[in-house]
Amino acid sequence: KAGVTQTPRYLIKTRGQQVTLSCSPISGHRSVSWYQQTPGQGLQFLFEYFSETQRNKGNFPGRFSGRQFSNSRSEMNVSTLELGDSALYLCASSLEGQGAWDTQYFGPGTRLTVL
Amino acid sequence: DAKTTQPTSMDCAEGRAANLPCNHSTISGNEYVYWYRQIHSQGPQYIIHGLKNNETNEMASLIITEDRKSSTLILPHATLRDTAVYYCIVRVRGNTGKLIFGQGTTLQVKP
Repeated sequence: KAGVTQTPRYLIKTRGQQVTLSCSPISGHRSVSWYQQTPGQGLQFLFEYFSETQRNKGNFPGRFSGRQFSNSRSEMNVSTLELGDSALYLCASSLEGQGAWDTQYFGPGTRLTVL
Repeated sequence: DAKTTQPTSMDCAEGRAANLPCNHSTISGNEYVYWYRQIHSQGPQYIIHGLKNNETNEMASLIITEDRKSSTLILPHATLRDTAVYYCIVRVRGNTGKLIFGQGTTLQVKP
């Protein structure tokens, strides 16, 4: 079974632009979570989607948004990019997202650089 | 979710067992212990998880103390490819798909 895939793998943008990142979960997985990883803050939870609905949200500004499609694929968008948004953005999928038995599997990430 | 405490870094000789400790003294009865690792700039890789019994899979063993306040991840025969940051996470049963990562332990396997 194919793993979680993320596109693009690398991205360079300039301040003020917006960016859209894509995540395809493992087949059959309906929950998709997004994380941001920076050297200073580590891995931080952004939000989670299940059945096309945002079910949980981390402490990030409204510039960070996402959505999920009926096939469980998810996108996240960052508007008005700031230098501090440079990070590795990780997507993880699980069957249902609930229940501590429901393991999350991560994709390889998208490395975003904001100049 | 319960907070976890891990040593910042550890070294291990290649071929020897790597024992990575994790303290989770405030863990609740419905919280599982999960271990992930992250090899430089890749996505975290799931290793193992458990509730109260010891667990073993093809990658590692997880030993949870009887009072569940701490656990140890054991890599039985560490290789250079096991060099990574290892994260111990406590996850509530029934919680939504949110993992809270600490700073983890950087394991350096040396030849």
